[in-house]
Amino acid sequence: GAGVSQTPSNKVTEKGKYVELRCDPISGHTALYWYRQSLGQGPEFLIYFQGTGAADDSGLPNDRFFAVRPEGSVSTLKIQRTERGDSAVYLCASSFTKDNEQFFGPGTRLTVL
Amino acid sequence: GESVGLHLPTLSVQEGDNSIINCAYSNSASDYFIWYKQESGKGPQFIIDIRSNMDKRQGQRVTVLLNKTVKHLSLQIAATQPGDSAVYFCAESPETSYDKVIFGPGTSLSVIP
Repeated sequence: GAGVSQTPSNKVTEKGKYVELRCDPISGHTALYWYRQSLGQGPEFLIYFQGTGAADDSGLPNDRFFAVRPEGSVSTLKIQRTERGDSAVYLCASSFTKDNEQFFGPGTRLTVL
Repeated sequence: GESVGLHLPTLSVQEGDNSIINCAYSNSASDYFIWYKQESGKGPQFIIDIRSNMDKRQGQRVTVLLNKTVKHLSLQIAATQPGDSAVYFCAESPETSYDKVIFGPGTSLSVIP
């Protein structure tokens, strides 16, 4: 498959637990983005990677959220001490460079009970 | 903070008719605007973009109009088809790059066969 893939597609967890969401970008894309989308809303920017480094993490809501991209390809979004308000669809996108069109994955639906 | 928003949350159109989806933005510093289509269970898909130094851009069956005077953006879809049924988002970026894209809340387009 040539598109952006995200795993798992659905994740149900309990309040206070730790979760990891994975994104596999399109091969060769240097830029990678995480967004969060609540029901009926547009995606909300969280963080942007250029290569291995987080070029802009200004959208992360608080220090419970963290993301890594250690080898400049796969990225993991990590959420500690999950809260019910974290329930949303987490979208990942990648682009060849930051000046090119973003291609989105199908998202991971996170439900915090 | 400044944001991008939509006038109409839902729009129903007869198959074959033209559709017009409107968007108001408030950040006068925005330089780059993008329309996305999102089908159920999928991530947003790029449709068309326009820079602030343009007032019109055409693609295949789609046209985007930008009126900077009134901070208004519209997406016109010609000969609307059932496959056009989706949620449409306008989005803005402060520069002509994609590294930080701000989405509006979306308009749901329903095509009546």
